[in-house]
Amino acid sequence: EPEVTQTPSHQVTQMGQEVILRCVPISNHLYFYWYRQILGQKVEFLVSFYNNEISEKSEIFDDQFSVERPDGSNFTLKIRSTKLEDSAMYFCASGRLHSNQPQHFGDGTRLSIL
Amino acid sequence: AQSVTQPDIHITVSEGASLELRCNYSYGATPYLFWYVQSPGQGLQLLLKYFSGDTLVQGIKGFEAEFKRSQSSFNLRKPSVHWSDAAEYFCAASGNTDKLIFGTGTRLQVFP
Repeated sequence: EPEVTQTPSHQVTQMGQEVILRCVPISNHLYFYWYRQILGQKVEFLVSFYNNEISEKSEIFDDQFSVERPDGSNFTLKIRSTKLEDSAMYFCASGRLHSNQPQHFGDGTRLSIL
Repeated sequence: AQSVTQPDIHITVSEGASLELRCNYSYGATPYLFWYVQSPGQGLQLLLKYFSGDTLVQGIKGFEAEFKRSQSSFNLRKPSVHWSDAAEYFCAASGNTDKLIFGTGTRLQVFP
């Protein structure tokens, strides 16, 4: 069964540094998402992306965050200047259609900011 | 505001016992509803989904869930739990946008 793959599985970065988290969505999916889960807390929506533009973003997704689909397969999340509170598990998800189709999640990237 | 509530943070059951995990939602209209499972160090795996129609939905690994509009609930059930079911379970919902809103999760522990 096709999978969403995320790299790296664990990223350790100094505060203030830029970090890029990478995702390869399922190949025939058109909708892409990032979520994050701070340790011990619920999974939170960050951003959705369709047709090469952001379709929705949460309050968390401020100017420090950006997303890009640089080619036909990758979907990236960039954090420009990391803060301690950005430490979390970041999940990428993809879906074929809007709303009434389930999103498929990757295994996540654990981001640790020192 | 839209929300999903899982009242039980931690549940412990014996292997072979039945299981029910609770989920309540607050939405303007009936949302699409999902249950995901997360094993340690793993991503979120979809167990089952409800969009419309039959209010009892079957999922993978022997799980089922029942949608009850009158109670705004979507509880997950399994008649006989296996040790491998130990994991974190998340209820989630989406409405007129496709962002998922998750509950806080229920950690299931299974004793032999």
